[in-house]
Amino acid sequence: DIQMTQSPSTLSASVGDRVTITCRASQSISTWLAWYQQKPGKAPKLLIYKASSLESGVPSRFSGSGSGTEFTLTISSLQPDDFATYYCQQYNSYSTFGGGTKVEIK
Amino acid sequence: EVQLVESGGGLVTPGGSLRLSCAASGFTFSGYTLNWVRQGPGKGLEWVSSITGGSDYIYYADSVKGRFTISRDNAKNSLYLQMSSLRAEDTAVYYCVRDRSGSYYDNWGQGTPVTVSS
Repeated sequence: DIQMTQSPSTLSASVGDRVTITCRASQSISTWLAWYQQKPGKAPKLLIYKASSLESGVPSRFSGSGSGTEFTLTISSLQPDDFATYYCQQYNSYSTFGGGTKVEIK
Repeated sequence: EVQLVESGGGLVTPGGSLRLSCAASGFTFSGYTLNWVRQGPGKGLEWVSSITGGSDYIYYADSVKGRFTISRDNAKNSLYLQMSSLRAEDTAVYYCVRDRSGSYYDNWGQGTPVTVSS
């Protein structure tokens, strides 16, 4: 099974900050990686797929990069609506999610 | 607009059974792989099971294999999850999720909570 490890687990930041979240796979997954945003009590929302493709309707301040085993999600200028938990997901072999990164207000 | 609406969750005793349903609308139901993904209280996301559009291929996570059965009725635009031999660790919100091209998840239902407790 492919394991996904996210870091950090919690991140404190201010509005306007540049934020980077890392996701590492236990083996190469090429670019078969997606990122989701989840707010309390709500279902996750797709942000990025194939490591760097922005889902339609998602603000351009979100971007993804990486391939193989190391990936990043970057928010270029954090907005109030962005405080949430973020998950990566590999879909190279079945589906596995990372443990999540909670972005909270500093 | 794509809509996925789960139902059937509730409180069940350990060893019991429950059947979840997901009613879909707004897309060609038979053309998509569908999944169940769960999230335990205060925990992360866990893929549970997948079924392709024609029910040709079905997959389960090891944690539920032999206890859960996924199925679909394309005539009714509905997805199901039959859960048996339920354990406390199956307690979670269960989401019905549409799969884009057999890969990532582009539409999620609102979830239905399942609590396994005596």
